[in-house]
Amino acid sequence: GESVGLHLPTLSVQEGDNSIINCAYSNSASDYFIWYKQESGKGPQFIIDIRSNMDKRQGQRVTVLLNKTVKHLSLQIAATQPGDSAVYFCADRNSGSARQLTFGSGTQLTVLP
Amino acid sequence: DAGVIQSPRHEVTEMGQEVTLRCKPISGHNSLFWYRQTMMRGLELLIYFNNNVPIDDSGMPEDRFSAKMPNASFSTLKIQPSEPRDSAVYFCASRDRRDSPLHFGNGTRLTVT
Repeated sequence: GESVGLHLPTLSVQEGDNSIINCAYSNSASDYFIWYKQESGKGPQFIIDIRSNMDKRQGQRVTVLLNKTVKHLSLQIAATQPGDSAVYFCADRNSGSARQLTFGSGTQLTVLP
Repeated sequence: DAGVIQSPRHEVTEMGQEVTLRCKPISGHNSLFWYRQTMMRGLELLIYFNNNVPIDDSGMPEDRFSAKMPNASFSTLKIQPSEPRDSAVYFCASRDRRDSPLHFGNGTRLTVT
């Protein structure tokens, strides 16, 4: 029969526009959060991380926002470029867990020319 | 920095055969992780090592799966006997300390027919 896979949320943006990718986490004990980018045929690539004692961190063209009250994480990409097209994963780490990072299911970002 | 190196990049084998996946972590990194990625389940942690010692193997699906890390620069993930449901992309990742991000290899795409 037909296999049912993960239904990846998708986001399409025009080249040059800003992108916002959202992520919800469930564990209030999580103390560390990471965003990864995965291009087709490659492994996840680290983009930016943030610790729970911060609510915002900026990198080159990227900003991560953390709202611990509602357990929400977002990744903002400024001036989105075709090379930004990929699947983006958030991950969190439970401070009390031995299992390390827990990855979300990912969001497919497509940059339109 | 060569990054995390995995081999082979692709492996096609028949059900019942033994499969060995290999990983060379980044030099100086003392933690190594094996993940499996499928459309159904996303990225799943199978096992991780700290200073060559297995710390948490609760993600290993069955006794058919085993992993070793004989030294700081090499790890293997073995599946014996392999089954079609083991078909997935297997990633190895390493990091140098607990609060640093994981660095992933480009994975081994395993197909078991």
